[in-house]
Amino acid sequence: GAVVSQHPSWVICKSGTSVKIECRSLDFQATTMFWYRQFPKQSLMLMATSNEGSKATYEQGVEKDKFLINHASLTLSTLTVTSAHPEDSSFYICSAPMDRVNNSPLHFGNGTRLTVT
Amino acid sequence: LAKTTQPISMDSYEGQEVNITCSHNNIATNDYITWYQQFPSQGPRFIIQGYKTKVTNEVASLFIPADRKSSTLSLPRVSLSDTAVYYCLVGDGLRGYSTLTFGKGTMLLVSP
Repeated sequence: GAVVSQHPSWVICKSGTSVKIECRSLDFQATTMFWYRQFPKQSLMLMATSNEGSKATYEQGVEKDKFLINHASLTLSTLTVTSAHPEDSSFYICSAPMDRVNNSPLHFGNGTRLTVT
Repeated sequence: LAKTTQPISMDSYEGQEVNITCSHNNIATNDYITWYQQFPSQGPRFIIQGYKTKVTNEVASLFIPADRKSSTLSLPRVSLSDTAVYYCLVGDGLRGYSTLTFGKGTMLLVSP
């Protein structure tokens, strides 16, 4: 069935560097994808909505210049954490709607564990 | 957005039926109810979605009373591998997709 693939599954980087996370929809097209962040023992927090061919929509409090989102094709969205700091260490998860009808449930990727040292 | 309330945690034993109830008093007419399961260090996985009455699939049932102010996820004969966090989401339909807002979820622990 349809799957959302996320890469890498984990990454360790030094403070001040940038990290790119890829989210791919396999066997289906996703004009919209969603990026979440999850801190330990907490729930998922929506960061932004990624729209193919247009600018992403960011949730309140999420810095768009720090979390760069690019959705250049119908199957790929990328999240770049720029100038990462230890407080950006978290579990980042992308998702895409299963279909294009209203109230469609979401397919989720397996997440990317980011550790900033 | 409709807010959901779930128990923080539940305990069960293998082979038992588990019912997790979610309250959503402010659910809107167009809202669907969606449940996800999440294992540690993995993304959530869709379990079931419904609008009213009862929905059943190969892994769970979803019971929704007539007033739709609550819903109950029923897991028949749980196993150790059902230990996970379960999230109840209520959609507002405004974005054109099921709601994107996760609550705190219910941590289900299944013991031998």
